[in-house]
Amino acid sequence: NAGVTQTPKFRILKIGQSMTLQCTQDMNHNYMYWYRQDPGMGLKLIYYSVGAGITDKGEVPNGYNVSRSTTEDFPLRLELAAPSQTSVYFCASSGGSGGYNEQFFGPGTRLTVL
Amino acid sequence: DQQVKQNSPSLSVQEGRISILNCDYTNSMFDYFLWYKKYPAEGPTFLISISSIKDKNEDGRFTVFLNKSAKHLSLHIVPSQPGDSAVYFCAASERTSGSRLTFGEGTQLTVNP
Repeated sequence: NAGVTQTPKFRILKIGQSMTLQCTQDMNHNYMYWYRQDPGMGLKLIYYSVGAGITDKGEVPNGYNVSRSTTEDFPLRLELAAPSQTSVYFCASSGGSGGYNEQFFGPGTRLTVL
Repeated sequence: DQQVKQNSPSLSVQEGRISILNCDYTNSMFDYFLWYKKYPAEGPTFLISISSIKDKNEDGRFTVFLNKSAKHLSLHIVPSQPGDSAVYFCAASERTSGSRLTFGEGTQLTVNP
């Protein structure tokens, strides 16, 4: 089991460029999440999904889009990169289904927007 | 509006002593609490959790205490080891939000040999 994998590990973007951060899990989890972590701050929820075809906004969704066409994949799209999106992005998954389940995190993608 | 707060950005303890990390919350609807540990360049990993129907949960060297009236929880690590040096995040969830978590800012624990 690879768990939650994220690509790329690092990326530098210019202002206005777009990119997709990839996230895949092999645990057959229904729930998936995208967080960002800014220096000295906790993790802020960007978007989450409770199953294939279903997504919803978290605390800080502006500037991002997501899709969930399969159980395994949950890509995060940045359309017009801005310096404020410089952060470390973490994808996570959990069993969900209404109970309390721990979230399993990927290793993160460090994004810099210049 | 920071619903989960960890007021100490850092904590330094000697190996073998107790480490106590604190967390406060404001949302009375939170009914499940978790602690995550994070090493540099890695994602957070789950450490221990507690339901609001309990006031203590223990797992080896790690114990979490919950004081609902004070809206306060703490993580005790006894004895502390150098490998425990990491950032510790407190997180909270409410049943109506499913598995969504609200995280605190984190506390950097350093255990000195």
